[in-house]
Amino acid sequence: GQSLEQPSEVTAVEGAIVQINCTYQTSGFYGLSWYQQHDGGAPTFLSYNALDGLEETGRFSSFLSRSDSYGYLLLQELQMKDSASYFCAVLSTGRRALTFGSGTRLQVQP
Amino acid sequence: DADVTQTPRNRITKTGKRIMLECSQTKGHDRMYWYRQDPGLGLRLIYYSFDVKDINKGEISDGYSVSRQAQAKFSLSLESAIPNQTALYFCATSDLSGASTDTQYFGPGTRLTVL
Repeated sequence: GQSLEQPSEVTAVEGAIVQINCTYQTSGFYGLSWYQQHDGGAPTFLSYNALDGLEETGRFSSFLSRSDSYGYLLLQELQMKDSASYFCAVLSTGRRALTFGSGTRLQVQP
Repeated sequence: DADVTQTPRNRITKTGKRIMLECSQTKGHDRMYWYRQDPGLGLRLIYYSFDVKDINKGEISDGYSVSRQAQAKFSLSLESAIPNQTALYFCATSDLSGASTDTQYFGPGTRLTVL
């Protein structure tokens, strides 16, 4: 089966940088995705890593290391609006739908 | 208009009642999904469908059933609701062309409370 582990909560201050880690166990997968969900809202797609390395999209970057079964989401120049839950997800080669981690709740403080 | 819509947005019902949650999409996607979200447990897959004739159980399908009435419509039924089915339910769609990412587009969610 597949399993993904993330920290349950992370707190950071406005303007800072924060890293949200995701470790996974799966026999094979296409890549690692990240989703953002604000309180009361729906999850929205943020980024995807098919290959090892860093993918950058504005203030957000995502990293994947297949050899370490590890990835992270990096948020720079934190803003209050970044307070949300962040989920990593994988599409395994043996399974036809995404498996999501349990999510990391990020609180950005002034 | 929203691309993925869910009705109702909120529902309170009693144990033993039959409940149907509906999902419609205008994105033209073939793949549709139903997830359940509980605090601290993330998103868990209930059922998914890759076309009208391809319906599959997810990791927590017991107590639920689905119907794919058309490419654009995917409904979730609780035949006899029980209190531990109280949760936030999300419908999602994805596009075959993004098969390796399987990028999902979520509806606004239905908050279901079973008393």
